[in-house]
Amino acid sequence: DAMVIQNPRYQVTQFGKPVTLSCSQTLNHNVMYWYQQKSSQAPKLLFHYYDKDFNNEADTPDNFQSRRPNTSFCFLDIRSPGLGDAAMYLCATSRDPVNEQFFGPGTRLTVL
Amino acid sequence: GENVEQHPSTLSVQEGDSAVIKCTYSDSASNYFPWYKQELGKRPQLIIDIRSNVGEKKDQRIAVTLNKTAKHFSLHITETQPEDSAVYFCAASTGAAGNKLTFGGGTRVLVKP
Repeated sequence: DAMVIQNPRYQVTQFGKPVTLSCSQTLNHNVMYWYQQKSSQAPKLLFHYYDKDFNNEADTPDNFQSRRPNTSFCFLDIRSPGLGDAAMYLCATSRDPVNEQFFGPGTRLTVL
Repeated sequence: GENVEQHPSTLSVQEGDSAVIKCTYSDSASNYFPWYKQELGKRPQLIIDIRSNVGEKKDQRIAVTLNKTAKHFSLHITETQPEDSAVYFCAASTGAAGNKLTFGGGTRVLVKP
C-alpha cells in the first residue's frame, strides 16, 4: 500500500555525470514536490508541480530540472552533479494546496 | 517570503517528562501549520497540524497551540517515551497555489530512559 514511491533509494554517481531520480504516487494527488535535504537540516524545496504547472524556486540551481509526464510520475534530473549536490532527495505529494504533504522515503545521492 | 524560526535546536528530556518546541513565523497570511517528525534515515511524517481558525488541537499525547497575534505556534509532547526521539520540524504555509511549506530549522529531541 505504498503511497509515494521513490527510485532508486540509493544512487551513486560521478562528478558531472547526469542522474535522474524518480517519484511515483498512487494517491492521485494534484501537487508534487521535490525537496533536497542535507544532514541535520530542514528539507529545502527545489520546485513543485501543481497539475502541469511548474513552479521553480528562485534559488534552485539551473543544474536541477524536473519533468512530470503524467499525474502519477515526477522526475528530478541533475544535469551535472557536483559534490555539493550529495544529499537526500525527497519527493512529496498533496491533494490540493491546503492539505497534508505525504513524503516518499527519499533517494540518497552520493557524488564521487 | 515566509521565514520560520524554531527553538530549541536540541532538546533532551527524561522519559515521562514533557517536551515543548516553539516556532515563530513572519508572514501574517500563513494559515496552515503542520508538524513533521523525522526519525533517523526515514521520511518526514506528519504528526499534527493546525489551521489558523483554531487556537489549539490535541491528539493523544501531542498538542499544538497557535497564537496568530504573536505569530507563533508550539508543539507539546506529554509523557515522553523513547520512541519520541527524532527530529521535529515545524512549517508554515499560506495555502496559496502549490501549498509551499516553509520549514523551521528542526529540533532534535532525545528522550532518555
